Parts: sequence; C-alpha cells; structure tokens
Amino acid sequence: DSGVTQTPKHLITATGQRVTLRCSPRSGDLSVYWYQQSLDQGLQFLIQYYNGEERAKGNILERFSAQQFPDLHSELNLSSLELGDSALYFCASSVGGAENIQYFGAGTRLSVL
Amino acid sequence: KNEVEQSPQNLTAQEGEFITINCSYSVGISALHWLQQHPGGGIVSLFMLSSGKKKHGRLIATINIQEKHSSLHITASHPRDSAVYICAVAPRRLAGNQFYFGTGTSLTVIP
Repeated sequence: DSGVTQTPKHLITATGQRVTLRCSPRSGDLSVYWYQQSLDQGLQFLIQYYNGEERAKGNILERFSAQQFPDLHSELNLSSLELGDSALYFCASSVGGAENIQYFGAGTRLSVL
Repeated sequence: KNEVEQSPQNLTAQEGEFITINCSYSVGISALHWLQQHPGGGIVSLFMLSSGKKKHGRLIATINIQEKHSSLHITASHPRDSAVYICAVAPRRLAGNQFYFGTGTSLTVIP
C-alpha cells in the first residue's frame, strides 16, 4: 500500500460529461502529481501541485483542471469529455519536487462511451 | 521526437538470468526515475537517480550524466519481476518538476 488513495477506481461516463477524480496524498507529502496513461500514448505528465500551489504544467488540455486543497488532497476535473479521454489517471505524491521518490495511487480507470 | 528512449521494448528471460534495461535521454536532467508497473496496472517507484549507482535487493540502477544514459539491472531474475519498467526524466530546463516518460520495457520472466 503506497499510502496514496485515489477515488473512484472506475468511472464510466458519456461524451460531453464532466467528472472529478480525487486523490489523497501520503501523510506528510506536500506534492501531488497527476498523470494520464492511455494505450497509444503511454504515461504523460499533466500537472503538479505543491502545498496548494500549481508548480508545473505538462500536456494538460484546457478542458482539464486541477486544484490542491488546504488539507492537501487534490482533485482533477475533466469536462466536455471525449472518447479519447478514456485512460488510466494516476495521482502520485512526494515530499517535494522531482528529486524525491513518488508514491503512486492505484489509479482511476475512466471509460468515456 | 521522444526525449526518452528505452530499449528493448520487449524482453523475455529465463528465471535466474541477468537482465539489463536501457534508457537514453536527450535533455539535461535534474533527476531520473525508474518505475515498475505490474499487469494489474499499479505503479511503484523503484529508484530516483541524479548521479552514480543505487542498489536495492536484486535491482541495480546506474546513470551516466555525461552520456545521458541509465541502466536498470535485475540479477537472478524471477517470474515475479514480470512487469513493465518505465524510465522517467525530469528536465532541468523545466524547473525539474515535469517528467518525460519512456514507452516502457515489457519484461516476462519464464520459470
């Protein structure tokens, strides 16, 4: 058990809908990372938060947004969903930045029908 | 152009064999991570490297910053090592908080 909790585990929805994925980091970790893993693109970095502030942004679509709350949990919001958004979404946490080991949640499998 | 290249893409080994997976990257980095993803999908971070060599049990990871190359070695491989191994780099020019990923090496260890 990594100590990182992601909910829900599975999500099935329709095109055009909006969903929210939730991540609770390991106790004491200030950084939260979000990643997308699709069959054709592999793992991609989406966004990183550190202690409530956005620190780094990757290939995150404008339809996607995230935030980290004062209790350090984070949410990834995906809107106007398209078929191509179907993927595994992982959250990871670490103490600090890229030079710290990351602990991954079990992922949320999103299916857009 | 992919900033991170892994080889081989697929690898099948007999139990007990010594395994090497390679990762080459094209950018200056602040850190390199090796990840393991099991068939069920879960990801575990194996190593973070910024220089030199690290060892954990039967796993050894090395990095050569000048040559922009890292290797992951598995000694005395076991069927439970069957997984996808992914190399990830944090580019220095991007303040070191983003990551580029390799496409992964799928390892199957046969009993």
